Amino acid sequence: DAGVIQSPRHEVTEMGQEVTLRCKPISGHDYLFWYRQTMMRGLELLIYFNNNVPIDDSGMPEDRFSAKMPNASFSTLKIQPSEPRDSAVYFCASNKGGTHNEQFFGPGTRLTVL
Amino acid sequence: AQTVTQSQPEMSVQEAETVTLSCTYDTSESDYYLFWYKQPPSRQMILVIRQEAYKQQNATENRFSVNFQKAAKSFSLKISDSQLGDAAMYFCAYGLGSSGDKLTFGTGTRLAVRP
Repeated sequence: DAGVIQSPRHEVTEMGQEVTLRCKPISGHDYLFWYRQTMMRGLELLIYFNNNVPIDDSGMPEDRFSAKMPNASFSTLKIQPSEPRDSAVYFCASNKGGTHNEQFFGPGTRLTVL
Repeated sequence: AQTVTQSQPEMSVQEAETVTLSCTYDTSESDYYLFWYKQPPSRQMILVIRQEAYKQQNATENRFSVNFQKAAKSFSLKISDSQLGDAAMYFCAYGLGSSGDKLTFGTGTRLAVRP
């Protein structure tokens, strides 16, 4: 298995632009998680899905952030408009329910908003 | 709400020596899981070891072992025979239940290994 795949690995954009981060979970996993990692706040859960349905989006910082999971093999995290304080590493992780809760992480997307 | 605390921002160990990283957590639940993840400079999050709260026996994975004290809500990681490749950020994490659920992470401990 290729593991969790994220794209792009690096993204540099200017303030005000729309940013879309993409994730392909491990096949057969029914949970998908989006995390954000910064020096100041560490690893924060933004949102997670079960069987493509959002379960908990309480970590989404504000309305500028949105996430979708149109099918079991694809999810997006969109920021519109982006701001410099959104600069962080964004991780996607997946998990198969009933398997000890271990989450498998993608390589992350490093986002820089100028 | 569950919280995870790692009180050591940085640690250092001599190659081949043993080091222990500390983690405490707060929960009112009885069924949960605890994890240690390693994040090397590549930033990939790698699972090191997992402990089920209902198991009294401490988990071990080769040179990595934990000291799980449920009553004290403590979950420390011991790395034996430290190697240069062990240098990384280590995160303690808490997860509730046996099905997929969110993890709560500590702030991490940066481990340096001296040759």
